[in-house]
Amino acid sequence: DAGVIQSPRHEVTEMGQEVTLRCKPISGHNSLFWYRQTMMRGLELLIYFNNNVPIDDSGMPEDRFSAKMPNASFSTLKIQPSEPRDSAVYFCASSLQGAPPDTQYFGPGTRLTVL
Amino acid sequence: AQSVTQPDIHITVSEGASLELRCNYSYGATPYLFWYVQSPGQGLQLLLKYFSGDTLVQGIKGFEAEFKRSQSSFNLRKPSVHWSDAAEYFCAVGANTGFQKLVFGTGTRLLVSP
Repeated sequence: DAGVIQSPRHEVTEMGQEVTLRCKPISGHNSLFWYRQTMMRGLELLIYFNNNVPIDDSGMPEDRFSAKMPNASFSTLKIQPSEPRDSAVYFCASSLQGAPPDTQYFGPGTRLTVL
Repeated sequence: AQSVTQPDIHITVSEGASLELRCNYSYGATPYLFWYVQSPGQGLQLLLKYFSGDTLVQGIKGFEAEFKRSQSSFNLRKPSVHWSDAAEYFCAVGANTGFQKLVFGTGTRLLVSP
């Protein structure tokens, strides 16, 4: 398996522009997570999907952020409009739903720089 | 709600020396505990996990961790550190709620000196 795939790996944009980050989870996994990592705040969970349905979006910073999962093999995280404070590394992870919680497999991340 | 504390932000260890990274958790029921490693420019990779049974858990790359319920700890250890172990290490806790959410600690950056 190719693992979790994220694109792009790097994104540089200007303040006010729309940014879309993409994620393809591991085939067969039914839970998907978006995280943000910064030096100041560490690793933060933004949103979590189970079977394509958002379960917990309490970590989404504000209305400028939105996430979708139209099918089991694709998810997007959109920032509109982007701001310099959104600069971070964004990770997507996937796992199998169950109890106890299964291992989360992380993608390589997208490094976002907003100028 | 669960929480995790990793009290050491940075640790420097000489190559060949032993290593212990501390992790303390807070959770009212049986915790499910994980250690992940992040190499520079990479995503997080699972080192080991504890769900139940033997409280000493073996992982990849020669790492082990011991669950101590009385101390609410899950410390990571390695008897002899290699230069390639230099990375950031994250402890995480999950709950047996049927949901997959993990709460991560702030991480410990390991530096390995020659």
